[in-house]
Amino acid sequence: KAGVTQTPRYLIKTRGQQVTLSCSPISGHRSVSWYQQTPGQGLQFLFEYFSETQRNKGNFPGRFSGRQFSNSRSEMNVSTLELGDSALYLCASSPTTYNEQFFGPGTRLTVL
Amino acid sequence: TQLLEQSPQFLSIQEGENLTVYCNSSSVFSSLQWYRQEPGEGPVLLVTVVTGGEVKKLKRLTFQFGDARKDSSLHITAAQPGDTGLYLCAGDSGGSNYKLTFGKGTLLTVNP
Repeated sequence: KAGVTQTPRYLIKTRGQQVTLSCSPISGHRSVSWYQQTPGQGLQFLFEYFSETQRNKGNFPGRFSGRQFSNSRSEMNVSTLELGDSALYLCASSPTTYNEQFFGPGTRLTVL
Repeated sequence: TQLLEQSPQFLSIQEGENLTVYCNSSSVFSSLQWYRQEPGEGPVLLVTVVTGGEVKKLKRLTFQFGDARKDSSLHITAAQPGDTGLYLCAGDSGGSNYKLTFGKGTLLTVNP
């Protein structure tokens, strides 16, 4: 099976802009989660989607949003980018057994 | 808020040495997972432990889940340079939470 894919792998934006990141889960996985990883805070949960429904959301401002499509592909959007949004954004899909996460390689976002 | 504390934060050892890293919480988890992350990549699932007191072995890696399901340890025997990476533990509180709580990780460097 192909793994989780994320596009783009690298992105450079300026403050105030918005960005959309894309994630294609492993075939058959219906749960998709998004995480933000920074050196200081580690991996922090953004949100989780299952069958196009957001089931849980982390403690992030409303500038962070996401959605899932009927084919389980997911996107996350960050509006009005801030310098502190620079991070590795990881998408993970899960077959739901014990919520085991299968991660993509991530999108490295740099905000200037 | 559930927290997972990992120790040590950094570990640098010589090839052939043994090591143990720890993952502790005041919260009970229904399951706990260990991941390894290499630079520029997403974390890769190593193991899931679900029963208090459970011990799982993966070649030279031994994982233990505490009896009270609040803590876990990872022991590596005869470490090799290929074991180098960031080791992350993640707890699932179960139910309808649909969210993993990650520790900040132990960065292991095995020198040849």
